[in-house]
Amino acid sequence: GQNIDQPTEMTATEGAIVQINCTYQTSGFNGLFWYQQHAGEAPTFLSYNVLDGLEEKGRFSSFLSRSKGYSYLLLKELQMKDSASYLCAVIDSNYQLIWGAGTKLIIKP
Amino acid sequence: ETGVTQTPRHLVMGMTNKKSLKCEQHLGHNAMYWYKQSAKKPLELMFVYNFKEQTENNSVPSRFSPECPNSSHLFLHLHTLQPEDSALYLCASSPETGGVYNEQFFGPGTRLTVL
Repeated sequence: GQNIDQPTEMTATEGAIVQINCTYQTSGFNGLFWYQQHAGEAPTFLSYNVLDGLEEKGRFSSFLSRSKGYSYLLLKELQMKDSASYLCAVIDSNYQLIWGAGTKLIIKP
Repeated sequence: ETGVTQTPRHLVMGMTNKKSLKCEQHLGHNAMYWYKQSAKKPLELMFVYNFKEQTENNSVPSRFSPECPNSSHLFLHLHTLQPEDSALYLCASSPETGGVYNEQFFGPGTRLTVL
């Protein structure tokens, strides 16, 4: 079967750095998305990786290793507004989007 | 209006009621999706429409009935639901289905409670 694993919940301190991991076992791979979802709101696009390596966008970076079936989302200089759920999703060989259950990130002052 | 909108935002219904959820996208996309989001579970894809044609129906019970009259509008008709159907129902759109880069744009969802 297809599976995406993420930690259920993480806690971090304002101003710090946090890394949210995602491991996947899917039938093929055609790219990986990270989305952010604030409570009661729509998921919004953060990043897309299809090649190995690090993609940086301001305070957020996303890393991919296809050989390891692994990605992480790195959030720097954490702000209170970064408290949200972070969803990892993989495009499989049939171009279907397979979703993880999401990681709830709690930021403390 | 911009992006993807959904109405109503909240819905409480009894098991014998009939109601409909509405989604509208203002992005000029050709693909639209219905997802079910339950607490601590992955997003469950329910239905996919591409150019108004249904391309996916992921074994969804018949008490959920989708309708896509045009590429901008998507409905989910609900009847004789069960309490376990209580969840957040998300609508999304994308330029088309498939492809290696197919970012989906989500609406805010309808929080459904079935009593």
